[in-house]
Amino acid sequence: GAGVSQSPSNKVTEKGKDVELRCDPISGHTALYWYRQRLGQGLEFLIYFQGNSAPDKSGLPSDRFSAERTGESVSTLTIQRTQQEDSAVYLCASSLGFGALFFGSGTQLSVL
Amino acid sequence: LAKTTQPISMDSYEGQEVNITCSHNNIATNDYITWYQQFPSQGPRFIIQGYKTKVTNEVASLFIPADRKSSTLSLPRVSLSDTAVYYCLVGEAAGNNRKLIWGLGTSLAVNP
Repeated sequence: GAGVSQSPSNKVTEKGKDVELRCDPISGHTALYWYRQRLGQGLEFLIYFQGNSAPDKSGLPSDRFSAERTGESVSTLTIQRTQQEDSAVYLCASSLGFGALFFGSGTQLSVL
Repeated sequence: LAKTTQPISMDSYEGQEVNITCSHNNIATNDYITWYQQFPSQGPRFIIQGYKTKVTNEVASLFIPADRKSSTLSLPRVSLSDTAVYYCLVGEAAGNNRKLIWGLGTSLAVNP
């Protein structure tokens, strides 16, 4: 596609439920990142995929968070047993492995 | 990693030139300076990147003094649509984007 696509754009869930967020990166981009952005704050790094290398999970806040990526294509971020503090915008970005990051519009997650 | 400091907010009027200065006293030899723009409900968008002196593209100019301890993003003749948050980031252009520290950015308000 022309840009990074994320779905859903909005997700409302109840505390304790699991959610799955999807990211379609720009074709040919080997690197993929997930970030979290709380209201009025900067971006918080979560996880990074680069080609077939082991992902860098150093930013995941707890073991309730996990992510997968198949090859150099789609990635899914899963949050298990959601908590209210998980409410935020989850942003996905892709790049060629260097240089500028290209972001999607994000998924606004609201945990009630 | 070099920490950056930039004003929390700025106000301007349509047609004026806006200069946003970012301090990065601990910038390393291999670090580049990159600016992103973020509109509400969207992911950040790459604006410009530079290493030293001056860089200009169709959107903005980036001025970097010889000591590289600061940089200034210059937006010529702003319009209402330039109202956004602007992030200054410092890091290696060749990788490790995941280690970039995203601060609060500068919230620019362009008034009619």
